[in-house]
Amino acid sequence: QSALTQPASVSGSPGQSITVSCTGTSSDVGGYNYVSWYQHHPGKAPKLMIYDVSYRPSGVSDRFSGSKSGNTASLTISGLQAEDEADYYCCSYRSSGTYVFGPGTKVTVL
Amino acid sequence: EVQLVESGGGLVQPGGSLRLSCAASGFTFSTRWMTWVRQAPGKGLEWVANIKPDGSDNYNLDSVKGRFTISRDNAKNLLFLQMNSLRAEDTAVYYCGTSGGRDIDYWGQGALVTVSS
Repeated sequence: QSALTQPASVSGSPGQSITVSCTGTSSDVGGYNYVSWYQHHPGKAPKLMIYDVSYRPSGVSDRFSGSKSGNTASLTISGLQAEDEADYYCCSYRSSGTYVFGPGTKVTVL
Repeated sequence: EVQLVESGGGLVQPGGSLRLSCAASGFTFSTRWMTWVRQAPGKGLEWVANIKPDGSDNYNLDSVKGRFTISRDNAKNLLFLQMNSLRAEDTAVYYCGTSGGRDIDYWGQGALVTVSS
């Protein structure tokens, strides 16, 4: 049972924008600017897409952006493309010094 | 190029032990936090443990405390996860990762651990 909440699935048509939410508490998401997002294609290694809430690693498309308000972080994918279809996980630092992943959101490109 | 290669996975009986290794290259191993993350069949990613660059401190998922031990050998660029008293629910692909900050910016391909009689 994850301490973070994500929608099980989000879908959109090519070119559209979608947002995946990640809701926690003041002991994790709301308490620190240490939320990261990962893209995971089955059978492959996860890939870091966003770190520290809103920063993009080098090489990640600027179609991906992150934000946070209170205890909820969000990942937005704009200009949705077929290759974006994957599972997306948020991850937050916690007050205990550990980390927690969200349950994951399956993004489907219609 | 950063490379992380896990090894040591396999089939083990409930109550048994297994030691995973992660060989790192392409970066200064001794300066980075290292992390283990797992994914059970059909489930999501689960953070398991991490360890400071100098190995002096580590943090663990509550459900593995007292059973799993994370360690590292900075002279050999190796990360380890010693897993004892294994349970069926520990069955998963185990990934090692490295952290430049409060994230995991490089991941290995994973090692499958199956706990079954």
